[in-house]
Amino acid sequence: GENVEQHPSTLSVQEGDSAVIKCTYSDSASNYFPWYKQELGKGPQLIIDIRSNVGEKKDQRIAVTLNKTAKHFSLHITETQPEDSAVYFCARGLTGGGNKLTFGTGTQLKVEL
Amino acid sequence: DVKVTQSSRYLVKRTGEKVFLECVQDMDHENMFWYRQDPGLGLRLIYFSYDVKMKEKGDIPEGYSVSREKKERFSLILESASTNQTSMYLCASISGSGTGAYEQYFGPGTRLTVT
Repeated sequence: GENVEQHPSTLSVQEGDSAVIKCTYSDSASNYFPWYKQELGKGPQLIIDIRSNVGEKKDQRIAVTLNKTAKHFSLHITETQPEDSAVYFCARGLTGGGNKLTFGTGTQLKVEL
Repeated sequence: DVKVTQSSRYLVKRTGEKVFLECVQDMDHENMFWYRQDPGLGLRLIYFSYDVKMKEKGDIPEGYSVSREKKERFSLILESASTNQTSMYLCASISGSGTGAYEQYFGPGTRLTVT
């Protein structure tokens, strides 16, 4: 199947700490793994993505790692700030597969002052 | 900037009513999607469309239909609304396959309550 499991469902960290969200997928053909951030009252927005030929990708304070053998990938946010508070969704897809994505169940991240 | 707009932010309908949710994108995208978002269940794909007049079922199409008469507009139809269709509905669009674009652009969502 194409299921995506995401953990934890809620995560509370102190400002400045790191946050890690993990996802596992079942379809070994998956080769595209994006992360979306949804702020209150808005639609999800892409923050970072990774393709299966890469094991890690960084963009300032956020990074994504991928372990294709174990079929899991993770989002790492360092030096968290209050504006990082949001719901984060992982997803998997196939490049060239009609751009259809299967999303995880979401993680509510709260960064406390 | 890509803009995806949805006709209503909040909607309250009665059981049995026919409900139309409209989505419009301004970037000439081929692919459009309708999702519903429920707590603990994430985003689930209802229907998607690769081109005008084309549609394909997603993971939870039961109780829904769609219409794509023009490239920029994708409508979700609840033929006879039921209380279990109370949810947040999100529309998204993306360039077609083969363009090298993978980011889905989402609208702000429509929160539908069926009483």
